[in-house]
Amino acid sequence: KQEVTQIPAALSVPEGENLVLNCSFTDSAIYNLQWFRQDPGKGLTSLLLIQSSQREQTSGRLNASLDKSSGRSTLYIAASQPGDSATYLCAPSDFGNEKLTFGTGTRLTIIP
Amino acid sequence: KAGVTQTPRYLIKTRGQQVTLSCSPISGHRSVSWYQQTPGQGLQFLFEYFSETQRNKGNFPGRFSGRQFSNSRSEMNVSTLELGDSALYLCASSLGRSPLHFGNGTRLTVT
Repeated sequence: KQEVTQIPAALSVPEGENLVLNCSFTDSAIYNLQWFRQDPGKGLTSLLLIQSSQREQTSGRLNASLDKSSGRSTLYIAASQPGDSATYLCAPSDFGNEKLTFGTGTRLTIIP
Repeated sequence: KAGVTQTPRYLIKTRGQQVTLSCSPISGHRSVSWYQQTPGQGLQFLFEYFSETQRNKGNFPGRFSGRQFSNSRSEMNVSTLELGDSALYLCASSLGRSPLHFGNGTRLTVT
């Protein structure tokens, strides 16, 4: 059974700083891994998807890496902005289906 | 392109009742998944439908069921509601191996 851990659970940083969010998972037989953000009371917004054969994906100020063999992924946010404040969730998918297993998330607060 | 639409947005029910939630996926998406989000358990997978067939199911009791129609719209039903069923229910759609796109959810409160 896949288990996903995200560290830290909460993080507060001043605006403009670069930061790294960590995700670890126990079963390396994944199909892909997605990073999402969730704003309070809202659904999830997909940020990046990394296929199991890839090492990293970039979108704007966001960069996600994947080390499948060690069961780890990181989300790097450059030049953080107050609008980046949200809960960030990582979710590897089981091989062969659409089932995602979510971590408990990192609640990020960017201080203006 | 319209996103994933979930209705209703909020729902209040009493114990023992049943409830039906609706999800309209992004046009062209044939896979619809449902997730339950609670403060204690986080996000948990309920089930996934593709072309009107349930392809995958999570570890929830039989009180939780779903279906998908020929236009890919999906409904989930919870019978004999319990207090612990209070949660945000999220629906997501995808083309298959593309990123999942989530709706804003239905917040169910059971009293």
